[in-house]
Amino acid sequence: SQKIEQNSEALNIQEGKTATLTCNYTNYSPAYLQWYRQDPGRGPVFLLLIRENEKEKRKERLKVTFDTTLKQSLFHITASQPADSATYLCALPPGGGADGLTFGKGTHLIIQP
Amino acid sequence: GAGVSQSPSNKVTEKGKDVELRCDPISGHTALYWYRQSLGQGLEFLIYFQGNSAPDKSGLPSDRFSAERTGGSVSTLTIQRTQQEDSAVYLCASSLDRLAGAIAKNIQYFGAGTRLSVL
Repeated sequence: SQKIEQNSEALNIQEGKTATLTCNYTNYSPAYLQWYRQDPGRGPVFLLLIRENEKEKRKERLKVTFDTTLKQSLFHITASQPADSATYLCALPPGGGADGLTFGKGTHLIIQP
Repeated sequence: GAGVSQSPSNKVTEKGKDVELRCDPISGHTALYWYRQSLGQGLEFLIYFQGNSAPDKSGLPSDRFSAERTGGSVSTLTIQRTQQEDSAVYLCASSLDRLAGAIAKNIQYFGAGTRLSVL
């Protein structure tokens, strides 16, 4: 079955620096990959979707890359701010007989002022 | 409403009791999903509804779990004879028709969840 791995340990970054989060997956060749943000007590919120034929996608201070050979996506936040502190989830689309998204456990990002 | 609405936001119950969780999706969204998020774990997919079609129940963790969707809109997730391991946050999401083929329609919009505590 498809599997997603994210570094679930907390990632501490100094304010103003670039935060880079990693998502690796196995046993799957997804047509696209999504990133979500989740704050405590809230449901995940969609951030970006990148297709398999796109190397890079940007939205304001966010950048996502997608390497289908390495089976890896990188999520970057430039000029990070304390308000960016949250858990970031990587998600693969339905596949392998399943209907729902397959989520990684998420990376808890802490931006220190 | 503007977003996915779930109720109750918190539910505390005794072991062995039945609980009902409700989800009201975004108007016009035909697809509805239920997930479970346990402490320290990722989101676990439970069940998916497409319009009024019969759902695929294979993701439900046991036969104590059931879900229905009335009129292609509101959905309820029922857990019978609750156990302590059922304690988790139950999240509902909706999206536009996944079967339409447009990748962007697979973007899911989540509610705030129901935090279930089984004592």
